[in-house]
Order: sequence, then structure tokens, then C-alpha cells
Amino acid sequence: EAGVAQSPRYKIIEKRQSVAFWCNPISGHATLYWYQQILGQGPKLLIQFQNNGVVDDSQLPKDRFSAERLKGVDSTLKIQPAKLEDSAVYLCASSPTTGAGNTIYFGEGSWLTVV
Amino acid sequence: AQSVTQLDSQVPVFEEAPVELRCNYSSSVSVYLFWYVQYPNQGLQLLLKYLSGSTLVKGINGFEAEFNKSQTSFHLRKPSVHISDTAEYFCAVSTDSGYALNFGKGTSLLVTP
Repeated sequence: EAGVAQSPRYKIIEKRQSVAFWCNPISGHATLYWYQQILGQGPKLLIQFQNNGVVDDSQLPKDRFSAERLKGVDSTLKIQPAKLEDSAVYLCASSPTTGAGNTIYFGEGSWLTVV
Repeated sequence: AQSVTQLDSQVPVFEEAPVELRCNYSSSVSVYLFWYVQYPNQGLQLLLKYLSGSTLVKGINGFEAEFNKSQTSFHLRKPSVHISDTAEYFCAVSTDSGYALNFGKGTSLLVTP
């Protein structure tokens, strides 16, 4: 079974530029998550989708971050304009449903450096 | 809201020695508890999880954890570690009212010969 796919794996941009990350979840998984992991910290949830609807985006900085999950499969996370503090690993994850006991499967992450 | 505290940021240990990584949680409702491992430059992989039932949970790679409701803890243990266990370990919690995982800050396990 293929895992969660993310691209690009690495990206370096200048502050105020824009960047987009793509995620393809495990086939059949209804729930998709984007987490931000800053160096030395645990992952922090940015947004959670159930199919193509948003379940939780309370920690998404909506003035610069946006995410969509068209057709309930792939998802894109965009940052515009980027700030230095956005340097982090962006982890996409998926689970079969939204139930609290579900195992969440993570991709390898997209590493962003903002200079 | 639920939260997790990992009490040690780094744990150095010699190969073949036992190890315990500590995790405490805070929640006003019933919780589900998880331990994930992250190897360098990789995503997170589930080690084990506690949903209900037996408080001793066994996971992959010889790890186990014990849920202690009175102590609000979910410590991870392994009786004999290998060099390959060197990684970052994250404790996480979720509840029926907040399905996504809330992670601790992680514990870096460094196993040396």
C-alpha cells in the first residue's frame, strides 16, 4: 500500500515569496491533516479535512496560509507571503476516518527554509 | 483542551540498556494516547497506541507503554535498546471531541555503543 506522498521535499525561498506544497493521502482515507513542525518542537495541527470539508482550521494563520482539498483527495497548502518564522517541516497525514482512535499516517514532510 | 508534556528533551543511553521515556497528559475527558517515532529526515511512524482495555500496550520494535490514569501518564519503555533506536519520540493525545493528535515537544533518544 502506498503511503502519504508529499512534494516538494525541500524548498528554499526568500521572505515575502510564495510557496505551495502538495499532498496525496493514502487511497481511501477520508481525513487529511496538515501539521507544521518547527525544529525542536512537536508537530502542530494547521488544518484538518474530512473529505473536502474543513473540520478544524483554528490554528491556521489565515492571513498568509491557505489550504484546499478539491474532490476530497489531493490537497495543497499555500503560504503567501512567507515569513522567516515559517521555516519548518510541513507534514501531511491521513487517516481512514475522523474517529479519535484512528491511526494517523504521516508523509515524509516538505522542508521549507525561508531566508 | 488536552495537552501532553514530555518530561525529558534528551535521553542518552548505552546500547542494550533499558530506557524509559516519560509522558504526562492533561485532559478533562477520556483520552486516546499514542507514541510516534521520527527517524532523521523521515515522517512520523506509529509505535503504539492506547484506546481502552489493558493498560499495558505493546508496540513495534520491542517497545511498550503503560497507561496510568491516576498518574495521568503514558511512559514508553524498552528493556534493551539498539543503536537503531536513536530517533525522536513523540507522545500524542486525542479525544472524542478533538480528533486530531496533539503532540508533545518530543524526546531525543541517543543510543551509544
